[in-house]
Amino acid sequence: SQKIEQNSEALNIQEGKTATLTCNYTNYSPAYLQWYRQDPGRGPVFLLLIRENEKEKRKERLKVTFDTTLKQSLFHITASQPADSATYLCALEEGRRALTFGSGTRLQVQP
Amino acid sequence: EPEVTQTPSHQVTQMGQEVILRCVPISNHLYFYWYRQILGQKVEFLVSFYNNEISEKSEIFDDQFSVERPDGSNFTLKIRSTKLEDSAMYFCASSERGHENTEAFFGQGTRLTVV
Repeated sequence: SQKIEQNSEALNIQEGKTATLTCNYTNYSPAYLQWYRQDPGRGPVFLLLIRENEKEKRKERLKVTFDTTLKQSLFHITASQPADSATYLCALEEGRRALTFGSGTRLQVQP
Repeated sequence: EPEVTQTPSHQVTQMGQEVILRCVPISNHLYFYWYRQILGQKVEFLVSFYNNEISEKSEIFDDQFSVERPDGSNFTLKIRSTKLEDSAMYFCASSERGHENTEAFFGQGTRLTVV
């Protein structure tokens, strides 16, 4: 099964800066990768899906890259806001009908 | 906006008791999932369900667990004889197509506490 590494330390940045979060995986390259946001005590909320043949995906202030050679995905939030403070989860396919989640990186955006 | 609803939001049960966690997926979705998250740990896959049968399950989903879609709207997770280590947040999710094609919508979870 996949092993996913996300930086377990919290990321603290100033409002307006770009936040960059990293997701590394160790086994086979998945056909797709997803990013979710999770607030305390709440369920994950889907943000973006990127497939193995896509290098980059954007949605408003969010950008995801997927490098199958490095076995890494980067998740960027530009012009960050305090409301972006949350835990961000990387998730990879594990079989056709399951996701394996990373432990998440907590982002704190300071006003 | 359509959403996945879960009940109850919090359930406390005695060890050895049976619990049923309930979920109402989004109405036009065809794929249903249960995940769990032990406090401070990762979200873990339990089971996926499509076309009225289990399509995948994890090692966690042993004989103590079962899922059912008793009618056209509900999707339930039953734990037959709860153990202390079953204490976790249980999330139901649904999607229009499989994870490989589209986003999954997660419910707000049921916090299960086994005492």
